[in-house]
Amino acid sequence: EVQLVESGGRLVQPGESLRLSCAAFGFTFSDYAMTWVRQAPGKGLECVSTLTGSGGTTSYEDSVRGRFFISRDNSKNTLYLEMISLRAEDTAIYYCARTFNYGTGSYLDYWGQGALVTVSS
Amino acid sequence: QSLLTQPPSVSAAPGQKVTIICSGSSSDIGRNYVSWYQQFPGTAPKLLIYENKRRPSGIPDRFSGSKSGTSATLGITGLQTGDEADYYCGTWDITLSVGRYVFGTGTKVTVL
Repeated sequence: EVQLVESGGRLVQPGESLRLSCAAFGFTFSDYAMTWVRQAPGKGLECVSTLTGSGGTTSYEDSVRGRFFISRDNSKNTLYLEMISLRAEDTAIYYCARTFNYGTGSYLDYWGQGALVTVSS
Repeated sequence: QSLLTQPPSVSAAPGQKVTIICSGSSSDIGRNYVSWYQQFPGTAPKLLIYENKRRPSGIPDRFSGSKSGTSATLGITGLQTGDEADYYCGTWDITLSVGRYVFGTGTKVTVL
């Protein structure tokens, strides 16, 4: 059974850094791209970043490029999102999602339960 | 910033049909497959439709998808109270050279 478990979400102050993790179970992790999606309170879904299975290609949403960094450790079946210079507008639930294909034909077929990141002083 | 536009809400009586249109452009829907996601309050989204019209295992055939040009449509027939949720379209956008995945603005389905 495919399972994704996020961790690392917490309350931080503006300007601080935080690293989220997503542990994957039940599939060959390195065969799949992975995506971080966030949802601000009462708002819609926003794709933050996607990473190919090998880790060689990434994409980022404009507002996080240069502040957020996606990575993976295929030996640990774990996806990461390093977030620096956090802002109040980064407050959201962050989901990791298994991603079938990177590029044309891409879709997110399994999702974790989410990790809440709150940026506030 | 979402590049895909959906109506904020749609509604219908139990047993009726609703359709949700997702409008995009030639750089996203126009040249890529579309998927649809269902989200209940307080829970993670769930894949409903992929590759424009295919349903994952376990998704009833009351849910259907189609695509024409730069728009995609999600249809729900035989509407049930359990279908009340938010629905999002998604696709790959190639406006930037690297490309990125984008979601629609989301549509709340209400069963009257």
